[in-house]
Amino acid sequence: DGGITQSPKYLFRKEGQNVTLSCEQNLNHDAMYWYRQDPGQGLRLIYYSQIVNDFQKGDIAEGYSVSREKKESFPLTVTSAQKNPTAFYLCASSRLKDRGRRNEQFFGPGTRLTVL
Amino acid sequence: SQELEQSPQSLIVQEGKNLTINCTSSKTLYGLYWYKQKYGEGLIFLMMLQKGGEEKSHEKITAKLDEKKQQSSLHITASQPSHAGIYLCGALWGSNYQLIWGAGTKLIIKP
Repeated sequence: DGGITQSPKYLFRKEGQNVTLSCEQNLNHDAMYWYRQDPGQGLRLIYYSQIVNDFQKGDIAEGYSVSREKKESFPLTVTSAQKNPTAFYLCASSRLKDRGRRNEQFFGPGTRLTVL
Repeated sequence: SQELEQSPQSLIVQEGKNLTINCTSSKTLYGLYWYKQKYGEGLIFLMMLQKGGEEKSHEKITAKLDEKKQQSSLHITASQPSHAGIYLCGALWGSNYQLIWGAGTKLIIKP
């Protein structure tokens, strides 16, 4: 079955540590996205990528980094520079924009990061 | 500025009753997506609307986009416990890939 996987489901980090969240998809989608979700707020875009070895900053990229070495994988690193990293992180993927198609984003199950 | 407002913020409905959730855009929508989220899980795609006046249904859930393409509503008929969760709308304001998201509506179904 095709889909998106994220790991781990729960992650605990000490202040000052970098952590990497995994996102893998086998849907053959070109575009991948990382969102952050905080209670009572909508999703906020951190980074997105439309093609391997290329990615763009979203609205809240500061303190985060990504890589896109393979089409299937889009890991997110939360660095110590991120001042308030405790949140729920969601990865998504989609086809590239194609007029007349839904082009909906498919979401992974999420990773809940807690900074201790 | 680009804004997407979702209302109500939360909703408690008796099982079997109908309900409506609204999503209002500050500018004309290129497309509007509706998703459902169970707490602590990923989002599940429900429907996507693009044309003014368009209406789509899936089981007991109907979504509409107004003629001016600035407001969408999600209507659930005869609500069931399985409808409980957070409903989010996502707006496309141009032919790019970025969605702007509403804050979500938390739906609780009382038995």
